[in-house]
Amino acid sequence: DAGVIQSPRHEVTEMGQEVTLRCKPISGHDYLFWYRQTMMRGLELLIYFNNNVPIDDSGMPEDRFSAKMPNASFSTLKIQPSEPRDSAVYFCASSFFAPPGIGYTFGSGTRLTVV
Amino acid sequence: TQLLEQSPQFLSIQEGENLTVYCNSSSVFSSLQWYRQEPGEGPVLLVTVVTGGEVKKLKRLTFQFGDARKDSSLHITAAQPGDTGLYLCAGANPGAGSYQLTFGKGTKLSVIP
Repeated sequence: DAGVIQSPRHEVTEMGQEVTLRCKPISGHDYLFWYRQTMMRGLELLIYFNNNVPIDDSGMPEDRFSAKMPNASFSTLKIQPSEPRDSAVYFCASSFFAPPGIGYTFGSGTRLTVV
Repeated sequence: TQLLEQSPQFLSIQEGENLTVYCNSSSVFSSLQWYRQEPGEGPVLLVTVVTGGEVKKLKRLTFQFGDARKDSSLHITAAQPGDTGLYLCAGANPGAGSYQLTFGKGTKLSVIP
């Protein structure tokens, strides 16, 4: 398996532009998580899905952020409009619900810079 | 909100030295995981501990879960440059129908050759 695949790896955009981050989870994993990582705040959970259904989006900063999972093999995180404070590394991770011992598999992340 | 505090925040040591990093919380977790993250990559799972007092060894790394399942430690023996990275602990407390991890901010380890 190729693991969790995220694209793009790097994104530089101007303030006010729309940004779309993409994720392909590991086949068979029924949980998908979007995290944001910054030096100041560490890894923050933004939203997670179970069987393509959003379960908890309480970590989404504001209405400018939205996430979708149209099928089991694809998810997007969209920021519209983007702001400089959105600059961070965004990670997608997948897992399957099992007794403790099964961790997350993370993608390599998308480094977003909003100028 | 369940919080995990990791210490120290930064650690720089010489190759061959031993070290211990800590992960503490006021909350009880059903399990706790340790990840290592290298620059430009996502975190990679090292180990999961489940039972209070549990000790697991992974080559030169020893992980321990506190008796009360509120804290954990990672001990590295004879550190090597390849151990350099950000070490993250993450606690799981699955509620009904949910499974999510709470991450600490990590300990950034540098092992100098």
